[in-house]
Amino acid sequence: QKEVEQNSGPLSVPEGAIASLNCTYSDRGSQSFFWYRQYSGKSPELIMFIYSNGDKEDGRFTAQLNKASQYVSLLIRDSQPSDSATYLCAVAGAGSYQLTFGKGTKLSVIP
Amino acid sequence: ETGVTQTPRHLVMGMTNKKSLKCEQHLGHNAMYWYKQSAKKPLELMFVYNFKEQTENNSVPSRFSPECPNSSHLFLHLHTLQPEDSALYLCASSQETDQETQYFGPGTRLLVL
Repeated sequence: QKEVEQNSGPLSVPEGAIASLNCTYSDRGSQSFFWYRQYSGKSPELIMFIYSNGDKEDGRFTAQLNKASQYVSLLIRDSQPSDSATYLCAVAGAGSYQLTFGKGTKLSVIP
Repeated sequence: ETGVTQTPRHLVMGMTNKKSLKCEQHLGHNAMYWYKQSAKKPLELMFVYNFKEQTENNSVPSRFSPECPNSSHLFLHLHTLQPEDSALYLCASSQETDQETQYFGPGTRLLVL
């Protein structure tokens, strides 16, 4: 059974701070990693994907992947109240279309 | 907007009703997916279609019946549902099925009475 674990939160950070969201996965063969943001009552929207170990930056967002530790994280710099949402981590195996999602971490950015 | 639309956005049905959910993607993708999202549970993949062919059925009860007439349209036919089937049903599409980014529609919020 492939599992993706996330702390459900809520994670509260002050406006302007760095929010750090973490995700661990059980399938060592996993190859692709995605972060989705989901506002309350809305559908998930893709923020970033990462395939290789290390960091990937896109604007205020940085995804970090450590396959040896089976760990992927998302950093949000200069957090804004509009970043308040649930962040879903999703993982896919090699050659697989099947995304396994975590339950999500609820982030609250306090003005 | 992601280029994936779903109708209806909200649906209330009784356990004896038959209804259908519709999904349409305008992205030129070849793969389409149905997911179920229940409160406090991870997104659950239900069905996958690649080039109109069903490639995955994740042990979904037969009261859910998918249909994919072409690569742009996907339906989920519902009949004799149970109250525990109440959830947000999300459609997604991707260019191919191999590790491609999936784009989600807005979802249909279903309530079964």
